[in-house]
Order: sequence, then structure tokens, then C-alpha cells
Amino acid sequence: EIVLTQSPATLSLSPGERATLSCRASQSVSSHLAWYQQKPGQAPRLLIYDASNRATGIPARFSGSGSGTDFTLTISSLEPEDFAVYYCQQGSNWPPEYTFGQGTKLEIK
Amino acid sequence: QVQLVESGGGVVQPGGSLRLSCAASGFTFNSYDMHWVRQGPGKGLEWVAFIRFDGSHKSYADSVKGRFTISRDNSKNTVYLQMNSLRAEDTALYYCAKDRPGSSHFDYWGQGTLVTVSS
Repeated sequence: EIVLTQSPATLSLSPGERATLSCRASQSVSSHLAWYQQKPGQAPRLLIYDASNRATGIPARFSGSGSGTDFTLTISSLEPEDFAVYYCQQGSNWPPEYTFGQGTKLEIK
Repeated sequence: QVQLVESGGGVVQPGGSLRLSCAASGFTFNSYDMHWVRQGPGKGLEWVAFIRFDGSHKSYADSVKGRFTISRDNSKNTVYLQMNSLRAEDTALYYCAKDRPGSSHFDYWGQGTLVTVSS
């Protein structure tokens, strides 16, 4: 099973600052990596798919990069609504297997 | 717009059974693979099960293999999760999620249904 490790566990920043979140895979996942945002009491929302593609309706301040085992989610200038928990996720289409990272909590400093 | 509405959660004793449903609308249901993903209280996300658009293939996390069964009824635009031999560690919010075609990700999620396994 591929293990995804996210860092840091908690990131404390202020609105307007740049956020950089990391996700490392235990073995190569090529570009099959996604990022999700989850706010309290809400379902996760897809932000980035296939490592670097923004999902429908996602603002341009969110960007993803990386391939192989090391991936980054960058939020260029934090808005108040961006403070949430972020998860990375990898999947293999065949056989279908999917894993999530443990999450990074982005909190207001 | 895409909507996924889960139902069927509740409180069940260890060893008991429960069947979850997810009613889909806003897209051509019989063309898309579907998943169940769960989240324990205060915990992260765990993928549970997958079913191909036509029901021809199913896949499960090791933690539920042999106990849970995913199925779908394309005439009712509904996907199901039959959960047997439930354990305390199955306590979670269960989400239904739509597969994003051409990738291995989940592009739409329901709001979840809560399953509590307790005596």
C-alpha cells in the first residue's frame, strides 16, 4: 500500500500570506495525486487533480505541483475562507486502490 | 448540478448490519464509477469501496473486505453499501463520492451519513 505523508501537521499563517503544504508518497504515484479542502462540518472539496490541474470553480490562488513522490499545494495569498484542513490523495485505476494523507490543518495565526 | 444524498446511517450494536444508500442526480449516473469514503470522529479520510459504472467490478479497502459489499441500481440512480459484522472501529461519517473520469480522484461528495457502532 502506498503511504502518503503530509507536512506540516499544522500550519499557522495570517491572511495575505503564502501557504506551502507538502505531500510525500512512499513510492512513485506519477502524477495521480489530488488535493482536497475540508472545512468543519462539511464534505471534502476537490481542489487539484492529477497533481497540477485546478478543479472546476477553484480560484487561481490555489496551485499544485510535483510528480513521482513529492508534491506541493500552494495558496498564493490566503483568504479568510482558506483556513481549513487539506488532504492529499492518490489512486490507482487498476486495481482500484486509493489512499489519503493524514491532513494538514491550516489555521489563522 | 450534481447532488449526492446519503441515508441509512444510525446506531447499531457490534456484530450488526446496516445498509447505506446514496441517491445521485444531476449527471448521467450509469456512466460513472462511484465510491464510498469514511471519516472516523476527529480523524482523516479513508477510502472504503469502489464500483465500476456498470457494476462489473468492485474493490474494497482491506479493513472492510469480506464484511462490506458495494452495489448499485442504475435504474434508481443509487449506490449502496451493505455493512455486516460491524465493529466499533467502523464508527464514522460515510460519504458517497463520484469518480472523476480519466483520473483516480473524487470530484463530487455527498454530505455523509453517520454510522455509530456501540453496545
